[in-house]
Amino acid sequence: DVKVTQSSRYLVKRTGEKVFLECVQDMDHENMFWYRQDPGLGLRLIYFSYDVKMKEKGDIPEGYSVSREKKERFSLILESASTNQTSMYLCASSPTGWGQPQHFGDGTRLSIL
Amino acid sequence: GENVEQHPSTLSVQEGDSAVIKCTYSDSASNYFPWYKQELGKRPQLIIDIRSNVGEKKDQRIAVTLNKTAKHFSLHITETQPEDSAVYFCAAGTDKLIFGTGTRLQVFP
Repeated sequence: DVKVTQSSRYLVKRTGEKVFLECVQDMDHENMFWYRQDPGLGLRLIYFSYDVKMKEKGDIPEGYSVSREKKERFSLILESASTNQTSMYLCASSPTGWGQPQHFGDGTRLSIL
Repeated sequence: GENVEQHPSTLSVQEGDSAVIKCTYSDSASNYFPWYKQELGKRPQLIIDIRSNVGEKKDQRIAVTLNKTAKHFSLHITETQPEDSAVYFCAAGTDKLIFGTGTRLQVFP
């Protein structure tokens, strides 16, 4: 069974801090994704990666960056946290190829005070 | 930009009734259409998916239909049970997915 592990379930940070959210998958998937989930807005794609050292902007990349130094790990970075980045963050992974489902982690609920 | 519209946003049904959730997408290149179920406080989990070369797929009480011409796909749940209560998300895309805004389904005993 695919396991996508996010480092924290809950995180509280202060405005202006640099925040790191970590995600690890154990199925050797090529693709990894970061979403944020807000009520009424669904899941919105922040960044994704098709391979090590590779990254692509999603629909809402402003204020975020990512790092993928190893295939199994995909990190989301909030360069200078702001209150409007308070949200649920979900990581997902999938194998490459047509019609491959994405498998999600449990999410990190991030509060920026 | 590309988007996926999902309706209704909330749906209440009596146990045993059917539930239908509808989505439309804008990107003609979309070839993969998964549906996810998210229970309160849990991760989204894939319940069924359909690829663009298929018009309909069924798995026990759950079915999905796809109309590529109309860019429309739907989730059908028959004989609903209280444990079907959750938020359901549709998505469309290729490797990269665009998600709908979700439907909160409540099944009353």
